[in-house]
Amino acid sequence: NFMLTQPHSVSESPGKTVTISCTRSSDSIASNYVQWYQQRPGSSPTTVIFEDNQRPSGVPDRFSGSIDSSSNSASLTISGLKTEDEADYYCQSYDSNNQGVFGGGTKLTVL
Amino acid sequence: QVQLVESGGGVVQPGRSRRLSCTASGFTFSTYGMHWVRQAPGKGLEWVAVISYDGSKKYYADSVKGRFTISRDSSKNTLYLQMNSLRAEDTAVYYCAKDYVPGLLGTPPSYYFDYWGQGTLVTVSS
Repeated sequence: NFMLTQPHSVSESPGKTVTISCTRSSDSIASNYVQWYQQRPGSSPTTVIFEDNQRPSGVPDRFSGSIDSSSNSASLTISGLKTEDEADYYCQSYDSNNQGVFGGGTKLTVL
Repeated sequence: QVQLVESGGGVVQPGRSRRLSCTASGFTFSTYGMHWVRQAPGKGLEWVAVISYDGSKKYYADSVKGRFTISRDSSKNTLYLQMNSLRAEDTAVYYCAKDYVPGLLGTPPSYYFDYWGQGTLVTVSS
């Protein structure tokens, strides 16, 4: 099994750009797709990025995803930050044992 | 529209059992794999289990293997999670989630959870 490691928290000002990293502990980050979920307090998670870099319909193009084999990590970038983007963000993938894997989550503060 | 509604949560004593249900609507339930994901109070998300579209394949997190059983009844559009030998560390909000990829033609679950329910809280306490 592998782990996905995220920063515990990030903060940035409205209108700026923030990037949240998600580092895979073993095997290639490209081995399995990575998803990113947004969770606001008291709500269920919703998808902002799936299959590494795809946006579900309705998610603004301010959200983008990528993977980097050199650092074995995935990244979620949010540009033009809005106060409504303040939430917890989780990366997620799965392993060769057919088990889902989540990162520990990153709390984004927009101040 | 897709709806997933969990039920069955509540307070249960350590060592006892509980069965959660998730009623699905708005899509062809029998075509998709389904997952359970949980979240302990103030903590992150933890994947729990998956069942294939036809119920033939089931996989579990190591933390629940041997104690939890995932099942489905496509005639009732309902997903279940039977939880036995419950422990304090099983206290969490339990979400059911739909897999993105239809399972027909033998395609395995994608482990992309495109729709989630609102969750049901299970508290394990004496």
